[in-house]
Amino acid sequence: NAGVTQTPKFQVLKTGQSMTLQCAQDMNHEYMSWYRQDPGMGLRLIHYSVGAGITDQGEVPNGYNVSRSTTEDFPLRLLSAAPSQTSVYFCASSSRLGPYSNQPQHFGDGTRLSIL
Amino acid sequence: DAKTTQPNSMESNEEEPVHLPCNHSTISGTDYIHWYRQLPSQGPEYVIHGLTSNVNNRMASLAIAEDRKSSTLILHRATLRDAAVYYCILRDVRGSQGNLIFGKGTKLSVKP
Repeated sequence: NAGVTQTPKFQVLKTGQSMTLQCAQDMNHEYMSWYRQDPGMGLRLIHYSVGAGITDQGEVPNGYNVSRSTTEDFPLRLLSAAPSQTSVYFCASSSRLGPYSNQPQHFGDGTRLSIL
Repeated sequence: DAKTTQPNSMESNEEEPVHLPCNHSTISGTDYIHWYRQLPSQGPEYVIHGLTSNVNNRMASLAIAEDRKSSTLILHRATLRDAAVYYCILRDVRGSQGNLIFGKGTKLSVKP
């Protein structure tokens, strides 16, 4: 079972370059999200989506854009990469969330991004 | 969101039980207690969750204090593969998004 697939696994960028981190899930999950993890830290939420066409900001959204045109895909775009965006990025998905829902989130294996 | 407090690190011997504590003194009545773990170079993995009663699954057990101000994740027989960072997270089920708020977690080392 594929679950949550993130590509690429590693990427090195120069300051000012743009790129898109890809995330795809094959579980028909409505909820998808992006987190970043810096060394020695827990994960911090960047953006999330509760369904196709709906996105919202998390704790650290600046410098990142997202869109959700399909249920399966939730790409994260860096418009102009900065060294402060060097991090490991994780995508997650879960089935429909709502009041009293406790569906566990499923995470990908991450994209390790370095900005020089 | 209510906060959790966990020790930074713990050590265990292989094949022995491990008790990972979590304090959450400001927990509200609608907060569920979730545990995730993150193996080296992998994304977090759901372990278990509960509200008031103790819970068991194939991975672990969750013991919740009667006043719900603390909980303990129990690994019954630690293996080398259980070496990971364990996160205790409170999740308010009234929220429609249910986003996870991660702290720094407890880094568990398992010695052979």
